[in-house]
Amino acid sequence: KNEVEQSPQNLTAQEGEFITINCSYSVGISALHWLQQHPGGGIVSLFMLSSGKKKHGRLIATINIQEKHSSLHITASHPRDSAVYICAGQTSGSRLTFGEGTQLTVNP
Amino acid sequence: DAGVTQSPTHLIKTRGQQVTLRCSPKSGHDTVSWYQQALGQGPQFIFQYYEEEERQRGNFPDRFSGHQFPNYSSELNVNALLLGDSALYLCASSTRSNQPQHFGDGTRLSIL
Repeated sequence: KNEVEQSPQNLTAQEGEFITINCSYSVGISALHWLQQHPGGGIVSLFMLSSGKKKHGRLIATINIQEKHSSLHITASHPRDSAVYICAGQTSGSRLTFGEGTQLTVNP
Repeated sequence: DAGVTQSPTHLIKTRGQQVTLRCSPKSGHDTVSWYQQALGQGPQFIFQYYEEEERQRGNFPDRFSGHQFPNYSSELNVNALLLGDSALYLCASSTRSNQPQHFGDGTRLSIL
């Protein structure tokens, strides 16, 4: 069992739909990161959170420390949101343990 | 303000060769981490450098080694390349405080 698991692995949505990606972790973490990776490889940090909820534009990230679970929500999805979304737990120091990623495709 | 820069962007090597990948951290960052991302998988932690020393290491063999220079830039060296070393190698920089890491665009290494 991976220390950080995401679901679903693949997600296809129609433009405008509300999207949820889930992340569960089994290790002690100091923070949970949500990242976005576009084709070609570059990774962009979306959120870093250790409790509660954060919002940036159409993106919302939540974390439940007791249940060791986090969710990334995208409201009013758009084709430009198509990318791989990865959650990662920050363990000792600033080391990150990554999930396998969720490939999101938003069709117009 | 330049972010994290990695070079080269692409590299093709053959089995048994050696390779050196380079990373310049974001301005103001002093900690560099290296990750290996195989196709279709999440990145795996290789090691982390701070104050020119390896501080943490993931589950990678000794063929993987690194270095950090006084200007905080870093190199990743891989010896005796195997086909399975084909991957995207990502560098991330941060400060020692609890702040998000910044990633470079990666070096795509192909082993023939």
